[in-house]
Amino acid sequence: AQKITQTQPGMFVQEKEAVTLDCTYDTSDPSYGLFWYKQPSSGEMIFLIYQGSYDQQNATEGRYSLNFQKARKSANLVISASQLGDSAMYFCAMREGEYGNKLVFGAGTILRVKS
Amino acid sequence: GAGVSQSPSNKVTEKGKDVELRCDPISGHTALYWYRQSLGQGLEFLIYFQGNSAPDKSGLPSDRFSAERTGGSVSTLTIQRTQQEDSAVYLCASSFLAGAGTDTQYFGPGTRLTVL
Repeated sequence: AQKITQTQPGMFVQEKEAVTLDCTYDTSDPSYGLFWYKQPSSGEMIFLIYQGSYDQQNATEGRYSLNFQKARKSANLVISASQLGDSAMYFCAMREGEYGNKLVFGAGTILRVKS
Repeated sequence: GAGVSQSPSNKVTEKGKDVELRCDPISGHTALYWYRQSLGQGLEFLIYFQGNSAPDKSGLPSDRFSAERTGGSVSTLTIQRTQQEDSAVYLCASSFLAGAGTDTQYFGPGTRLTVL
């Protein structure tokens, strides 16, 4: 069974608009972490935001926020005020357990920001 | 400070040859991970080192793949008798393992391996 599902292969957004990238996950471990990474065409994997399974508040980092709905097992990334430089592949990933474990990645979503 | 570094950035080899890929983690990070990114398989975990503990090798696809980490720092991923299906970008990551909490993995730029 897929542990991380990203249902949107590609998305377009107008510059300065907000966009939501979907991620659902599957785990029976009560302790886990959810991560979003950005991979521009240059290939580097850039950490964006983290949400722990016990966190009460949705994570935010600048223009990035994570819409964490634990009961639905979803962890959608919201990018506000999109910029041309946001065009990239975005990966949702999960680590099962408190820490020190591999990441399982989704297939990714390609985001294109239009001017 | 310096991020995760990997070398070489690109490697082209002939089928059947052995290759070594190197990863230098962020200073002070005790955990080191290798992943592979290929078109057909996406991002896959290969192996994980944590301090002096036995590595988690559960992601290695065959016994042609091996890795070591010397002195708790630099790691080398070795692929013996390379096959064309080994062509991929090999990514290394490291994390601090500060205990419960974020334990974010930071990635290097990757090594693009092409097997002809």
